[in-house]
Amino acid sequence: DTEVTQTPKHLVMGMTNKKSLKCEQHMGHRAMYWYKQKAKKPPELMFVYSYEKLSINESVPSRFSPECPNSSLLNLHLHALQPEDSALYLCASSQVGGNTGELFFGEGSRLTVL
Amino acid sequence: AQKITQTQPGMFVQEKEAVTLDCTYDTSDPSYGLFWYKQPSSGEMIFLIYQGSYDQQNATEGRYSLNFQKARKSANLVISASQLGDSAMYFCAMTPGHLSGNTPLVFGKGTRLSVIA
Repeated sequence: DTEVTQTPKHLVMGMTNKKSLKCEQHMGHRAMYWYKQKAKKPPELMFVYSYEKLSINESVPSRFSPECPNSSLLNLHLHALQPEDSALYLCASSQVGGNTGELFFGEGSRLTVL
Repeated sequence: AQKITQTQPGMFVQEKEAVTLDCTYDTSDPSYGLFWYKQPSSGEMIFLIYQGSYDQQNATEGRYSLNFQKARKSANLVISASQLGDSAMYFCAMTPGHLSGNTPLVFGKGTRLSVIA
């Protein structure tokens, strides 16, 4: 079982809807990440939080709004998405300054935008 | 900037045989970390093995070993005694500075491995 929990596992939304993806970890990691993965493609980095502060934003459109309310939680708020935003959204966490920098991934939230 | 290249879009292997998945990388950083992840159809990215750029010995984890050739900038994954459950997408990835901890991974395009009974 993964130690990074993502909800919901599947989400279908219209272009005018507002929804959120949630990610939770209890490993004491202080770095958390959002990746977007299209079918048959590698994951692409969207955001990185370090000590609950946004440290990297890979020029993601503002219709994606990340939030890190505490060290265990990471949210991704979705508003006015486009059909091309349909993808698997992966959350990950890691230690900061750890020996290997290994990322622990959740199972992902599969998003479909109609 | 870091770059990972996986030249094999798909591979087939007979059950119980060994298979090598290729990965080459490019970086100007003297310190970096190399990873292999497995992604089954369920979507989760499963960590398999890690190699630090200063590690003298090749990494091994059970049936997985990493053939690290620093001069050639290659980090091939070897899976011994393949099992049907090994069928999945495999990604090679790297971070600059293996001690940084919050530097995001850069992924290759992946290799889809199919194990045949």
